[in-house]
Amino acid sequence: KAGVTQTPRYLIKTRGQQVTLSCSPISGHRSVSWYQQTPGQGLQFLFEYFSETQRNKGNFPGRFSGRQFSNSRSEMNVSTLELGDSALYLCASSLVSPRDYGYTFGSGTRLTVV
Amino acid sequence: QKEVEQNSGPLSVPEGAIASLNCTYSDRGSQSFFWYRQYSGKSPELIMFIYSNGDKEDGRFTAQLNKASQYVSLLIRDSQPSDSATYLCAVNASEGSQGNLIFGKGTKLSVKP
Repeated sequence: KAGVTQTPRYLIKTRGQQVTLSCSPISGHRSVSWYQQTPGQGLQFLFEYFSETQRNKGNFPGRFSGRQFSNSRSEMNVSTLELGDSALYLCASSLVSPRDYGYTFGSGTRLTVV
Repeated sequence: QKEVEQNSGPLSVPEGAIASLNCTYSDRGSQSFFWYRQYSGKSPELIMFIYSNGDKEDGRFTAQLNKASQYVSLLIRDSQPSDSATYLCAVNASEGSQGNLIFGKGTKLSVKP
């Protein structure tokens, strides 16, 4: 059974650019959540998608957006990149709700903004 | 702002000892509690979840929950060097339609041979 797949694994972008990260959840999982992980702040919730609808949203600026496709695959986009956006971005999938059995995380995308 | 608090450590224990990791949370409405392990450079991996007050055992791991005190703990018996990692406590947020998970910043555990 394939796990959660995130691409790309590493990205280096210049301040002001935009970036799109991709996530394919475990087959059959319909909930996809995104987290930002930094050494200082830990894991911070960005948003969650279920059946192509954003179901929950964290406290991040509008530069951070996402979407989910009919096959449950999800993308997140960060526009007008800032140095502080450098982080590990983790995608996490759940069958229906993370409160039931938690998440399975992908390997993450390491974003570096220079 | 709902919070999950953990001692950042490092917590150092000798091989074979019991490691005790603790976590407190502020959201009284939380119903689901999780422990994740994260090795350096890797993504978090779920090791235990607990919903009811009391203890839940799985192999060398025991999760303990006290909702009245808003306290969750993880005991690791017969600690091994391979248990050296950062342990993240997570609870579900009671608001929101299905409740995302709120994570603590983690406790770094070091098991010395």
